[in-house]
Order: sequence, then structure tokens, then C-alpha cells
Amino acid sequence: GAGVSQSPRYKVTKRGQDVALRCDPISGHVSLYWYRQALGQGPEFLTYFNYEAQQDKSGLPNDRFSAERPEGSISTLTIQRTEQRDSAMYRCASSLAGSTSTDTQYFGPGTRLTVL
Amino acid sequence: GDSVTQMEGPVTLSEEAFLTINCTYTATGYPSLFWYVQYPGEGLQLLLKATKADDKGSNKGFEATYRKETTSFHLEKGSVQVSDSAVYFCALSGRGSTLGRLYFGRGTQLTVWP
Repeated sequence: GAGVSQSPRYKVTKRGQDVALRCDPISGHVSLYWYRQALGQGPEFLTYFNYEAQQDKSGLPNDRFSAERPEGSISTLTIQRTEQRDSAMYRCASSLAGSTSTDTQYFGPGTRLTVL
Repeated sequence: GDSVTQMEGPVTLSEEAFLTINCTYTATGYPSLFWYVQYPGEGLQLLLKATKADDKGSNKGFEATYRKETTSFHLEKGSVQVSDSAVYFCALSGRGSTLGRLYFGRGTQLTVWP
């Protein structure tokens, strides 16, 4: 079946603009996660959802970042008033069960965000 | 807090050489441990995992054993191929208040020459 998809794959924006990154998880997966990966680093957790409920947003760096999953499927990560330091690869993952420590997270291809 | 320390790369090997990539972790309680791989131009894929002490994860000739006494999860392969060239990430999934999130190491770039 289809894996996790993300759009757009690449996004170039100017400083101060808002951007919305979309994630479509594997059908039927309960949990959805967002990570950010800087060049040469491992992914860092941002936030996650079980169904439509945001369970943990402690990894969001500041209040310019927000995420939603209104119907428990597709999720949008929004960055307001983008800054150059927001440039990174944004990765989405989903897992079948509600968040557990043993469940496998399946990752999408990522969105490469560049803020000029 | 929970964290993963991974051997820095890059690692360059000849085909059929033995591979070890070291990974140690710090965690409260008993985490699950993972190795993810990123091939050029692709997303992260799960390579193998172990969910309790002394478990051995294996896939595609790669192996890693969850060692609680040394808090390690080293990745090994007896004979690497050119197609194994990729970036490898060690990760842990904690319990308690950080349930659900993965903590990743910085990644190790592996290049295998024919």
C-alpha cells in the first residue's frame, strides 16, 4: 500500500512569509509525528498526534510553529513569519498503534524548506 | 534526558569488509532501540529494532544486540556491499513522559567502494 506522503517536497520562501507543510500518513495509522532535521544531524522531535488529539507539542521551538490534524488523518505543520534558521528538512512519520515505545514509525520523504 | 550517541563518520570501506557502527544511549527505564537507514535521495527506512534487553534485531545481513549492561546497540554486518552505502541513524524510543518520540543520533555516513 501507499506509504507516508508529504507535500511539497521542496519549498523556497522569503523571510517573513508563512508556510504550510502537509503530511498524509499511512491509511489507518493512529499516530502521526513531525520531526525537523538540520543538515548533518539526526531528526529532532517536534510534535505528535493520536487521532486528532495533539499529545505532545513540547518539541515545537516557539509559537511561530503550530500543527493540526483535524480529522485524524492528514496533518499540516504551519510556520508563521519564517526565519532563515527555520531552513531544514521537515519529516513526518506515522505508526499503527497509539503511541507506544515499541511501535515502528514509518517516515515520509520529507519537505526541504529553504528560507531566503 | 534520553539521548543517543553515535559513532561519527564518515566510514569508508571496501566491498566485503566487516562493518561496525557504534551506538550508546542514555535513557530512563527501558527504551526500545532502532536503526534507521537513509539511502541517497530517499527517506528514512527502518532497518531493524529491539524492544528489550538481550534482543537481537536483524535484517538484510545487519544485526544489532540490545545490551543493557553497556547501554549499547552497535550495528554490524559481516560483509558490506556497494548498495549498503547510505546514512545510518541509531534511535531510541522512551517511555513515561516522552512516550512516542524518537531520539536520534547524528547519523553515520557509510561509503562502500567496489
